[in-house]
Amino acid sequence: KAGVTQTPRYLIKTRGQQVTLSCSPISGHRSVSWYQQTPGQGLQFLFEYFSETQRNKGNFPGRFSGRQFSNSRSEMNVSTLELGDSALYLCASSFDSGGLYYGYTFGSGTRLTVV
Amino acid sequence: SQQGEEDPQALSIQEGENATMNCSYKTSINNLQWYRQNSGRGLVHLILIRSNEREKHSGRLRVTLDTSKKSSSLLITASRAADTASYFCATVERSGFQKLVFGTGTRLLVSP
Repeated sequence: KAGVTQTPRYLIKTRGQQVTLSCSPISGHRSVSWYQQTPGQGLQFLFEYFSETQRNKGNFPGRFSGRQFSNSRSEMNVSTLELGDSALYLCASSFDSGGLYYGYTFGSGTRLTVV
Repeated sequence: SQQGEEDPQALSIQEGENATMNCSYKTSINNLQWYRQNSGRGLVHLILIRSNEREKHSGRLRVTLDTSKKSSSLLITASRAADTASYFCATVERSGFQKLVFGTGTRLLVSP
């Protein structure tokens, strides 16, 4: 079956702009989570959606937001981009909220560069 | 920081040797998971061990969990060059689950 698909793979944006990243989970998975990976902070949790509801949110400013659609696809949006938002953004899907039984399947990520 | 710690930060071995990575975490957990990442790409789930389990095997992987010490180890036996990657442990906390708390990672280099 198809894996987790993230688009686009690479993105270059200018400070102050906004960006939308997309994630299509594995068919049948209702939980989608987003993580930010940077060399300085490592892997940090952004938020998790389950059946279109945000279940948990990490310690990120309100410029970071997301949503999940009825088909479980998810988008995350970052407004007023800052240089420090440059990172690899990873989407992960799981059958259950929290990946308690089978863990998570990650996409290949979107590499965002803010200039 | 909520992150766990992993050691060593980097490990260099020859093909055929065993590689051991250690992970320490800070809270009570529901489970602990290990992931592999190749060259800044996505993470690949390797193994999940629940808090009531002490050891788990999957192919050449062996994971142990000691909840009294809040630590885990990943052993890769008979390493191959293709095992070269970064390895991360991640915990799902007992309370406020629904997220992974990652360790700092171990970079493994397996030379032919």
